[in-house]
Amino acid sequence: GENVEQHPSTLSVQEGDSAVIKCTYSDSASNYFPWYKQELGKGPQLIIDIRSNVGEKKDQRIAVTLNKTAKHFSLHITETQPEDSAVYFCAPTQHVDEKLTFGTGTRLTIIP
Amino acid sequence: DVKVTQSSRYLVKRTGEKVFLECVQDMDHENMFWYRQDPGLGLRLIYFSYDVKMKEKGDIPEGYSVSREKKERFSLILESASTNQTSMYLCASSPPGQGIGKNIQYFGAGTRLSVL
Repeated sequence: GENVEQHPSTLSVQEGDSAVIKCTYSDSASNYFPWYKQELGKGPQLIIDIRSNVGEKKDQRIAVTLNKTAKHFSLHITETQPEDSAVYFCAPTQHVDEKLTFGTGTRLTIIP
Repeated sequence: DVKVTQSSRYLVKRTGEKVFLECVQDMDHENMFWYRQDPGLGLRLIYFSYDVKMKEKGDIPEGYSVSREKKERFSLILESASTNQTSMYLCASSPPGQGIGKNIQYFGAGTRLSVL
């Protein structure tokens, strides 16, 4: 099965600065790479995803980059705001596999 | 909007009790999942179901069972609760991913279970 590592486990950044979270996976057959955000008291929610035929995808202040050769992908958040404080999970998978294997999570704290 | 509803936000049970956690989704999704979430361990899959009356073991099924009698409802059962089952339990649902090249799961808000 997929072995997923996520770093760092905690991250504190000053409001307005950028944050980067990295996810490393083991299964070279993985072709779908999502990031989920879990706010306090809520379940995780998909915020951005990328497929293996694309190297980068951006949606306003968040972006995901993929390095298939090295088997890792990263979440980038620019101009961070207090509402970005949350736990973030990666979940690399094959899109035909209905299951997801989640990373251990990164707790991001934005310091006002 | 997809809505996944878990019946309880907080539950306190005693060791040895039989515990039912209920989950209902309103989007006619085929797939449903139960995870537990523990600090430092992320989300770990307990059981999932592809269809009514179908179930598959996830990564940590020991001590749990599930039931899916109706498409919209997926229940997690702790036959005899133990203190090491104290955790946050999350339910999720998803449509089949093959046709759209994606695998998106929609989560409930979670049930925090304490076993004393």
